Amino acid sequence: NAGVTQTPKFQVLKTGQSMTLQCAQDMNHNSMYWYRQDPGMGLRLIYYSASEGTTDKGEVPNGYNVSRLNKREFSLRLESAAPSQTSVYFCASSEPGISVEAFFGQGTRLTVV
Amino acid sequence: ELKVEQNPLFLSMQEGKNYTIYCNYSTTSDRLYWYRQDPGKSLESLFVLLSNGAVKQEGRLMASLDTKARLSTLHITAAVHDLSATYFCAGYINTGTASKLTFGTGTRLQVTL
Repeated sequence: NAGVTQTPKFQVLKTGQSMTLQCAQDMNHNSMYWYRQDPGMGLRLIYYSASEGTTDKGEVPNGYNVSRLNKREFSLRLESAAPSQTSVYFCASSEPGISVEAFFGQGTRLTVV
Repeated sequence: ELKVEQNPLFLSMQEGKNYTIYCNYSTTSDRLYWYRQDPGKSLESLFVLLSNGAVKQEGRLMASLDTKARLSTLHITAAVHDLSATYFCAGYINTGTASKLTFGTGTRLQVTL
């Protein structure tokens, strides 16, 4: 039972480069989320998708785009990476009406130099 | 907008001692979550509190929720070294079309011999 799978686990980018973080869940959840975690700031919501075909901005969306490709997959794209985007990124999924649990992936540690 | 505050941010305690982590939130929250995170790892769900007066216990950890005071607590009884980790609380809001978790900044717990 894989749960929520993120790729890659680690990435180093140069300023201005682009990349896409991938997230897939096998629990048939409607809702998916992207968070970033920075020291002393907890987890902050970047974007979320309540269901396939919908996406909404969270607390810190600037510099990011997302795609809800299908019900399983929710990707996060950095078009032009900046050092301020150095962080650990977590994807999560939940099914609010059925399960109270929110499940998290293992995280992607991104460094922008 | 839901805001979640935790205190303390850092807690150093001796084995065998008791202590409480506090989580205050700013507006009505449908649920309150507690997570544990070990260094370099993802978030592990500890408790989900669904209603006023809810109390849940697992081993040396006990969580409670007072929705009137907008306060949740995580009580640690007779701490052991294995409890060293960062603990997060998160409030949850379901608007009907979307649901979001808002995290506190975390409490880093260090249990010393």
